[in-house]
Amino acid sequence: QKEVEQDPGPLSVPEGAIVSLNCTYSNSAFQYFMWYRQYSRKGPELLMYTYSSGNKEDGRFTAQVDKSSKYISLFIRDSQPSDSATYLCAMANTGGFKTIFGAGTRLFVKA
Amino acid sequence: DAGVIQSPRHEVTEMGQEVTLRCKPISGHNSLFWYRQTMMRGLELLIYFNNNVPIDDSGMPEDRFSAKMPNASFSTLKIQPSEPRDSAVYFCASKLAGGPGSYNEQFFGPGTRLTVL
Repeated sequence: QKEVEQDPGPLSVPEGAIVSLNCTYSNSAFQYFMWYRQYSRKGPELLMYTYSSGNKEDGRFTAQVDKSSKYISLFIRDSQPSDSATYLCAMANTGGFKTIFGAGTRLFVKA
Repeated sequence: DAGVIQSPRHEVTEMGQEVTLRCKPISGHNSLFWYRQTMMRGLELLIYFNNNVPIDDSGMPEDRFSAKMPNASFSTLKIQPSEPRDSAVYFCASKLAGGPGSYNEQFFGPGTRLTVL
């Protein structure tokens, strides 16, 4: 079993839709939960991160962490064509050095 | 700020040849990471350095892979001899190591696309 499981998609939605992206994990030692966005032929960029459980909101993006279920989510409201990218969940333990990435979900937002 | 710089951006080589990938981290960052990304395996951490010292190389697939960081502004990842299954995009990332309870963002370079024929 992989430490982090993420459905690779692809996920195709119309512009304006609410997008839900999810990951599950198995290592209860993870303390930092991140979402990275990767455009085609570019390196990943940090979108947002959460420490331990709870929610975090940044504009149209909301990250949720449920440590009891070992489940994390990213919600995108009012999705735009510019949101089309691969979204990778990532997790790290205390110190945040060794980061484990999910496989990434490819998202297409159609105008 | 120039960001993380990687070279070459593309490399095509033949099986058995030596390949050297180069990385210049962001000035002031004291942690450096090498990743490999493929469709099959996703983004895998190969090795990371803290203050130029290798901390964890458990992700390095085989003895054919080696990495060095001779100073704070330069690192190399070498594959010798290369094999077709090494074909992937190799990313270098750097960050400023934070204290306990903090997380600092890893900044990724543009990657080197390696093709081994």
